[in-house]
Amino acid sequence: DVKVTQSSRYLVKRTGEKVFLECVQDMDHENMFWYRQDPGLGLRLIYFSYDVKMKEKGDIPEGYSVSREKKERFSLILESASTNQTSMYLCASMRQINQPQHFGDGTRLSIL
Amino acid sequence: KQEVTQIPAALSVPEGENLVLNCSFTDSAIYNLQWFRQDPGKGLTSLLLIQSSQREQTSGRLNASLDKSSGRSTLYIAASQPGDSATYLCAVRSVLSFQKLVFGTGTRLLVSP
Repeated sequence: DVKVTQSSRYLVKRTGEKVFLECVQDMDHENMFWYRQDPGLGLRLIYFSYDVKMKEKGDIPEGYSVSREKKERFSLILESASTNQTSMYLCASMRQINQPQHFGDGTRLSIL
Repeated sequence: KQEVTQIPAALSVPEGENLVLNCSFTDSAIYNLQWFRQDPGKGLTSLLLIQSSQREQTSGRLNASLDKSSGRSTLYIAASQPGDSATYLCAVRSVLSFQKLVFGTGTRLLVSP
């Protein structure tokens, strides 16, 4: 079974802090993704990566950056956290576009 | 721009009933469509993936169909159980933006004992 592991289930940070969300997958998948999920807005893609050190902006990249130094790990960085970044963050991975995308359990992030 | 709609937004049924969840999409040029379930406060669990060349996929009590030309997919759940209670999401991978999944907003299902 594919395993996508997000480092924290719940996280509370203060405005202005630099926040790191970590995601690890154990299936040697090329593609990894970061989404946020908000009531009424559904899932929105923040960034994705199709290879080590490669990244592409999704639909809402403002205020975020990412890092992919190793194939199995994809990090989401909030450079200076703001209250409007309070959300559920979901990481996903996928081998190829004709295969299913698998998600982690999510990180509920609160910015105070 | 691909748009995905799921109707109804919520559905409540008694245990044992067979039910159908609907998903429609505006651009029929797709690679595949994936159905997920999401339990409250959790991530998404992949249920079924249908490629654009396929008409249906089955897994246990679940059957997903795809009619690409009309922009529709259905998820059929046979003999529903309380453990099926969750939000069900469909997501489409379009040819024009193949790296992205476009999600519907989901159908919240409640199966009562």
